Formats: sequence, structure tokens, C-alpha cells
Amino acid sequence: AQRVTQPEKLLSVFKGAPVELKCNYSYSGSPELFWYVQYSRQRLQLLLRHISRESIKGFTADLNKGETSFHLKKPFAQEEDSAMYYCALSPISGGYNKLIFGAGTRLAVHP
Amino acid sequence: DGGITQSPKYLFRKEGQNVTLSCEQNLNHDAMYWYRQDPGQGLRLIYYSQIVNDFQKGDIAEGYSVSREKKESFPLTVTSAQKNPTAFYLCASSTGAATNEKLFFGSGTQLSVL
Repeated sequence: AQRVTQPEKLLSVFKGAPVELKCNYSYSGSPELFWYVQYSRQRLQLLLRHISRESIKGFTADLNKGETSFHLKKPFAQEEDSAMYYCALSPISGGYNKLIFGAGTRLAVHP
Repeated sequence: DGGITQSPKYLFRKEGQNVTLSCEQNLNHDAMYWYRQDPGQGLRLIYYSQIVNDFQKGDIAEGYSVSREKKESFPLTVTSAQKNPTAFYLCASSTGAATNEKLFFGSGTQLSVL
């Protein structure tokens, strides 16, 4: 079955500390993977996608097919990074943009 | 503020009643989606539409219905057959329905049962 697992409901760090938000997936093929973010009182929005190999707001995520993981990392957390983060998978097959979301991890960055 | 507008922000349903959640977009997107979000769970796809006058069931379509008569609008009806309708409902759209398309989300509707 296709599934996205985010094992941590809450990740609490201090400003300047490294951050790693974990995401593991279950999918037999080669998926497209995304991180979406929801800041306080804002809409859910795309943060980054693995196909773009981009760094957004200092965050990066590498697809590790061997470990079926797509962890989100940032070397130095900022208070403005506090938000709800969702990992999402889109199966290549299926013919449409069906996103499967994880349950989300709340990142709290303390001063 | 352009983009996707969901209304109302809060909605209450009486037992046996059908209620309709509105979703309008002015992004000229072809594809639209409805997701349901329950506490501690990720978003689950209810229905999606790739083009006007066409829509498909998602993973949890039972008890819901949709229409796509206009490109801009994709209303969701929660019918009396949906026995556990209390949830946060998110509408989204994308330029097309390809697998790597970026989704744009509305601000959501919280539905509760009286």
C-alpha cells in the first residue's frame, strides 16, 4: 500500500540548532515527493519537491530510495520556521496528481 | 487576494441534513481537488476533477458528492450518508493533473455536527 509516515508529531528545537523532519514512504515504484508547509494563519503551500533538487528557505530534502526516505533538513533553524510540515507522495502511475500526505510534524523553534 | 476561496469558514450540520461547501478559484486552473483532514492524520483525497464536467472519486468518496459545471467552481456536498462528517475540508487546484504539479490550497472549512 502507498503510505507516507512522519514519525514525529512535534519537533522542538532552539534557534540556530539543526533540524531534521523525518519522512518515510511506502511505494513500489519511483514516486514524486514533496514537502508542504503551513505557517500560522496561512494556507498550506508547497515548500519543495525532490524533482527540483532545490533549497528553499535554507531547507533541503534528499530522496533516499534505499531507505525510502525524504527527510527535510536545515542546518540552522530560525523562529520563523515554526510551522506544520507535511510530507507528500505522488505515485508516478495513476495519471493524475494524487497526493498522499503524511500526518504532519509540527516544528517549534524556540528563541 | 486572488487564488482559491472557500466558504464558509465554519459550518454546522444537523443530523440527516446535506450541506454544501463552496470552492472557487480565479487561477484559471484545470484541476481541482477536495481533501479531508482529521486531527492527527494527513489529508485524504475525497474527489478530484481534471477538467470541467468531469470528476473522479478519491480514496474516501463515500457520503460525498461534487459537481464541476464551471472551471472556477468545485462545490462539495456532504450528504446525510456521511456518518462522520466532522473534519476540516481543504480545496486545492493545480494548472493540470500531472503528477508533479504544485497544488494551491484554500483556507479550509471546518464542518461540525450539531
